[in-house]
Amino acid sequence: AQKITQTQPGMFVQEKEAVTLDCTYDTSDPSYGLFWYKQPSSGEMIFLIYQGSYDQQNATEGRYSLNFQKARKSANLVISASQLGDSAMYFCAMREGWGGSNYKLTFGKGTLLTVNP
Amino acid sequence: NAGVTQTPKFQVLKTGQSMTLQCAQDMNHEYMSWYRQDPGMGLRLIHYSVGAGITDQGEVPNGYNVSRSTTEDFPLRLLSAAPSQTSVYFCASSYPNAGQGAWAGELFFGEGSRLTVL
Repeated sequence: AQKITQTQPGMFVQEKEAVTLDCTYDTSDPSYGLFWYKQPSSGEMIFLIYQGSYDQQNATEGRYSLNFQKARKSANLVISASQLGDSAMYFCAMREGWGGSNYKLTFGKGTLLTVNP
Repeated sequence: NAGVTQTPKFQVLKTGQSMTLQCAQDMNHEYMSWYRQDPGMGLRLIHYSVGAGITDQGEVPNGYNVSRSTTEDFPLRLLSAAPSQTSVYFCASSYPNAGQGAWAGELFFGEGSRLTVL
């Protein structure tokens, strides 16, 4: 079974509107972390936001927020007020376990977001 | 700050040739890793290292070799390149949990190396 599932290969949004990118995960470890990365057409990987499994509140970073629903095992990325520069591939990723001995991230297959003017 | 540096950025090989993708980081990160990115497949872990002298296999290790003689460097070797190894390769590193404050443990990525095997 896939550990990270991103069911939307592609998404379109109008500039200035909000968009939600879906991510579900599968783990039996009570300690885990969830990440979102952005990859623009130039190819670099940009870290956006992190949510720990024990965090009580949803993570936010500027226009990015993570809608964390632990019981549903979902960690959707919400981008508010979309900008043309948000057009990119977005990856959800998970680290299972806690502590300095485990750094491995497992990635989903990505969602290609296109922001239309 | 240099961060994570990968070389070369582009490479074309013929089937059966060998080559090494270089990765260096100047952030004193313990953890280093190599991923490959293929269309529709996301990023898949090839090999990783939790410190000098320690390496382990990831999800897709076949056809690749690594070593970690220093904290800074983590080269990826293709011993006999195959067309199936045509991909974009990313090196990434991370820092240890110091036990203080929130630790995300996010990966810091290099710019990627695009490899084509003919």
